[in-house]
Amino acid sequence: DAGVTQSPTHLIKTRGQQVTLRCSPKSGHDTVSWYQQALGQGPQFIFQYYEEEERQRGNFPDRFSGHQFPNYSSELNVNALLLGDSALYLCASSQNTEAFFGQGTRLTVV
Amino acid sequence: QQQVKQSPQSLIVQKGGIPIINCAYENTAFDYFPWYQQFPGKGPALLIAIRPDVSEKKEGRFTISFNKSAKQFSLHIMDSQPGDSATYFCAARYKNGSSNTGKLIFGQGTTLQVKP
Repeated sequence: DAGVTQSPTHLIKTRGQQVTLRCSPKSGHDTVSWYQQALGQGPQFIFQYYEEEERQRGNFPDRFSGHQFPNYSSELNVNALLLGDSALYLCASSQNTEAFFGQGTRLTVV
Repeated sequence: QQQVKQSPQSLIVQKGGIPIINCAYENTAFDYFPWYQQFPGKGPALLIAIRPDVSEKKEGRFTISFNKSAKQFSLHIMDSQPGDSATYFCAARYKNGSSNTGKLIFGQGTTLQVKP
């Protein structure tokens, strides 16, 4: 079992650009959540996908959007990037169980 | 508004010591309280978790103590080792109907250093 896998591992983008991050959940898991972890902070909940629909959302602007595919994998899209979007983006998967996290994607906005 | 408050921010102990990390919450809509361990460059890994109807849970060298009336819970690491040096996060999960997939609210984290 490969666990939760995220790609890419690192990414550098310019202010104003758009970015797409990807997540493959742990085998058997149908729910995917995304978190943003700023340096030295705890992860903050962005949103959660289940059955290809956004089920819960945290306090993030509409620039943050997502998608879940029929195979349960997910994408996080961020438009009009700001310097403050620089962070570790974590994907977590679950199926009526504890959440298991991937290694994250380190996004740097310059 | 910080819904889960964690302390201390950092902690240094000698090998074999018992570091204690504390968390407090206010919202009664939480139904599950996990602790995560995170190494640099890695995602958080679940260590141990407890439900509010239990006052204590032990798994190996890790123990959670839970005080529902005080809305506080803590992590104790027995016989700490240098390999335990990491950042520890407490979290609280919102109830989400009958499923166990409510969003997690994390504390600010505690950086633990265990000296040899």
